[in-house]
Amino acid sequence: QSALTQPASVSGSPGQSVTISCTGTNSDIGAYKYVSWYQQHPGKVPKLIIYDVDDRPSGVSNRFSGSKSGNTASLTISGLQADDEADYFCSSYTSYTTPVFGGGTKVTVL
Amino acid sequence: QVHLVQSGAEVKKPGASVKISCKPSGYTNGFYIHWVRQAPGQGLEWMAIINPTAGTTNYAQKFQGRVTVTRDTSTTTFYMELGSLRSEDTALYYCARGSSSGWYYLDFWGQGTLVTVSS
Repeated sequence: QSALTQPASVSGSPGQSVTISCTGTNSDIGAYKYVSWYQQHPGKVPKLIIYDVDDRPSGVSNRFSGSKSGNTASLTISGLQADDEADYFCSSYTSYTTPVFGGGTKVTVL
Repeated sequence: QVHLVQSGAEVKKPGASVKISCKPSGYTNGFYIHWVRQAPGQGLEWMAIINPTAGTTNYAQKFQGRVTVTRDTSTTTFYMELGSLRSEDTALYYCARGSSSGWYYLDFWGQGTLVTVSS
């Protein structure tokens, strides 16, 4: 049950797109379509923004999109805005029948 | 609205145990409850889950034997107890609801309970 691997940080200018990768194994991301992403602003609780790889909960901006290829999932934020500056965590269901999180990626808006 | 209200901050000595409560409101019982922790400046770490109806549980391998999650059906309150505390257990502990889209998604979170382990 090792944590999924994410880059420590990514950055972009307002209006640009950034993509965060999340690498797992064929016992988690590679085996299931149960990948999710969470956004966490400083001092706040995490918020579910993507589930089932590419679905968005009601109320989440369509500037957030998800995808998956093999053992790697990705979150793309398009039209980057100041409020997108936050930490982002991926998560996947695993063959242990438990979820596992990634280490988190800090998104900085330049 | 859905709310999960957790108990207050705790300070414990190494070797002790801590028990945190989580009381959901605003929805019909039946949703799984997860426990997740976040050490200062660190990422999220999934710990455990409980089926509120059956009371069955599942734990991350790392915490097996040291963590116990339970529920009180009379008060619809959930508990997480972590034993043999060490300094590395200092963290913010969250309870969260498993989503109707899949119990493995966490759609509503408690406010967090800070546990500090210090001699």
